[in-house]
Amino acid sequence: QQQVKQSPQSLIVQKGGISIINCAYENTAFDYFPWYQQFPGKGPALLIAIRPDVSEKKEGRFTISFNKSAKQFSLHIMDSQPGDSATYFCAASMLGSARQLTFGSGTQLTVLP
Amino acid sequence: DSGVTQTPKHLITATGQRVTLRCSPRSGDLSVYWYQQSLDQGLQFLIQYYNGEERAKGNILERFSAQQFPDLHSELNLSSLELGDSALYFCASSVGTGREKLFFGSGTQLSVL
Repeated sequence: QQQVKQSPQSLIVQKGGISIINCAYENTAFDYFPWYQQFPGKGPALLIAIRPDVSEKKEGRFTISFNKSAKQFSLHIMDSQPGDSATYFCAASMLGSARQLTFGSGTQLTVLP
Repeated sequence: DSGVTQTPKHLITATGQRVTLRCSPRSGDLSVYWYQQSLDQGLQFLIQYYNGEERAKGNILERFSAQQFPDLHSELNLSSLELGDSALYFCASSVGTGREKLFFGSGTQLSVL
């Protein structure tokens, strides 16, 4: 019940295209869902996060869509750029343990120029 | 730069040995978290300290221990090392223990030969 399942494992997108990464969870006690971006040789960095009381959150080219009933959430990267090439992790945590994040397995995104 | 400093960046040692990984949190951050990133297990939460006290434990082995010192830096001690302990170990920090943003360091790459 602690798992967060992420797909796809890798994704190749043309510059200007839309990148979509999906995650699913089982534990209904999760109530905070961040996405992290990790470049080679660096630690993960918070990209955007959502709580289950909203269905969508947008920050610039990055949008999280959240479906509470399906226990799924996804990251959409609009107008993908080569500089977006990185590994993306979804994560989840429970109230009272906000930073004890349970991470997905990661998606390696490559944006072709 | 996240402001979280981890040393050393790389560590190569042999099975059965003991190593210490060091983390200096961002200025003003009271919470320190340790995460392990490996190919087979992904990113896993190990342990959290807040202002010198242990706050939460995740999937941390009994051979591993950590502490946070009065100056708020933290050390992760790994003993009786096994080949499977080879991984990237991240430290992260945040201001408190609530919903504040988590900042990750660049990690220590541990190779056990």
